[in-house]
Amino acid sequence: QKEVEQNSGPLSVPEGAIASLNCTYSDRGSQSFFWYRQYSGKSPELIMFIYSNGDKEDGRFTAQLNKASQYVSLLIRDSQPSDSATYLCAVNRFKAAGNKLTFGGGTRVLVKP
Amino acid sequence: KAGVTQTPRYLIKTRGQQVTLSCSPISGHRSVSWYQQTPGQGLQFLFEYFSETQRNKGNFPGRFSGRQFSNSRSEMNVSTLELGDSALYLCASSYRRTSGDGGDTQYFGPGTRLTVL
Repeated sequence: QKEVEQNSGPLSVPEGAIASLNCTYSDRGSQSFFWYRQYSGKSPELIMFIYSNGDKEDGRFTAQLNKASQYVSLLIRDSQPSDSATYLCAVNRFKAAGNKLTFGGGTRVLVKP
Repeated sequence: KAGVTQTPRYLIKTRGQQVTLSCSPISGHRSVSWYQQTPGQGLQFLFEYFSETQRNKGNFPGRFSGRQFSNSRSEMNVSTLELGDSALYLCASSYRRTSGDGGDTQYFGPGTRLTVL
């Protein structure tokens, strides 16, 4: 079992729709959770982080965390063609083990005009 | 505020050679982590440096090493290069605060693309 799992996609969504991305993790000691966006040939760009159970909204993005189910998700509202990228979920144990991000394989998102 | 910078951006080496990559973190960030990204294995953690000390290490052979200087700049070195070392090497920096949310948020540099022939 991989430590962080994501559906590789591609997730195809029409422009203006909501894209829903999911991520599960195996380490119950994980304390911080991140979503990064990576365009082809570029480095990962932070979208948002979440530490507490529940929802966290930032613009068109909403992260949801459920530690009991070991599940974190990302919603992209009003999807735009510029949102077409690979979205990486990452987890960190941080206080227990410093900075050591463990990444999922990424979900490729295609937003069609 | 300037972001994470990495040099060089591209490198071509041959098997058996060694290579040194450089990373300058965001001003004020004291933690620097290195990652390797390949199509087959994805993003994998190499090591983390904080206050000039290696704090974490991933599952890579001893050919991969690094160091951090007093100004938080970091270098990583790969000796005796193998074809499988061809990858995008990413550096990420963070404050590494122990309190409050976001203290371990890592920001990535543009990466160094290494090709081993």
